[in-house]
Amino acid sequence: DAGITQSPRHKVTETGTPVTLRCHQTENHRYMYWYRQDPGHGLRLIHYSYGVKDTDKGEVSDGYSVSRSKTEDFLLTLESATSSQTSVYFCATMKPSSGNTIYFGEGSWLTVV
Amino acid sequence: AQSVTQLGSHVSVSEGALVLLRCNYSSSVPPYLFWYVQYPNQGLQLLLKYTSAATLVKGINGFEAEFKKSETSFHLTKPSAHMSDAAEYFCAVSDPDNFNKFYFGSGTKLNVKP
Repeated sequence: DAGITQSPRHKVTETGTPVTLRCHQTENHRYMYWYRQDPGHGLRLIHYSYGVKDTDKGEVSDGYSVSRSKTEDFLLTLESATSSQTSVYFCATMKPSSGNTIYFGEGSWLTVV
Repeated sequence: AQSVTQLGSHVSVSEGALVLLRCNYSSSVPPYLFWYVQYPNQGLQLLLKYTSAATLVKGINGFEAEFKKSETSFHLTKPSAHMSDAAEYFCAVSDPDNFNKFYFGSGTKLNVKP
C-alpha cells in the first residue's frame, strides 16, 4: 500500500469544460504517473513526473496537462474535456528501491457528456 | 523498445483447476517483470515481481510465475483456482534503468466456473 488517494473518484462533466483530477501520496515516492484504462487498450501512460516540477509526456498526452508543485501531489488537467476522454484514470507511484514496483490508486471514473 | 503480449483476453477455468495465464515480452535489456491483479472497480494490486533473483517467483494468493529468458516468457500459474481468483490480470515489463519505461499488457480476464 503506497498511501495513494485520488479525487474525485467519480465525476460527470460536460464537453468543453476543464477538469482536474488530484492524486495525493503519503509515501514520499519520487516518481508519479497518470494512466488511463480503456477496454481493449489496457493501461496507457498519459504523463509522468520524476520530481517536483519535473514532468514529461507519455504515449497519450494530447489534451492533458499535469503539475507537481509538491512531492505528494500530482494533478492531471483536461483543458477542455471531450467524449474521447471518458475513461478510468489511475494515479500510480514508484520507488526505485522497491525494484521499480508501481503502486496504484483506486481510480477516478470520468464521464464526459 | 519493449512490449508485452498476453495471449488470450479471456480465460475460463473450473474451480479447482490449474490456472495458466500467458505473458511474453520483448526487451533489449534484462527486464523487471510484474503481474498485477485488478478486481472490479478497483485499482491494480501487485501479485508478484521478478527482479533478476530467483527465476521462480511466488506471489500472493498462491500464484507463482517463472521467468524463462530463452522463451521471453513470464507465465502466471496457480495449481487450483478459487472463485475469488476471478479478476483481470496484467503482465508488465520495466526497464531497470529507465523509470519512465513501464509497459503493460492488454490484460486477461479470468473467469472461474463453479
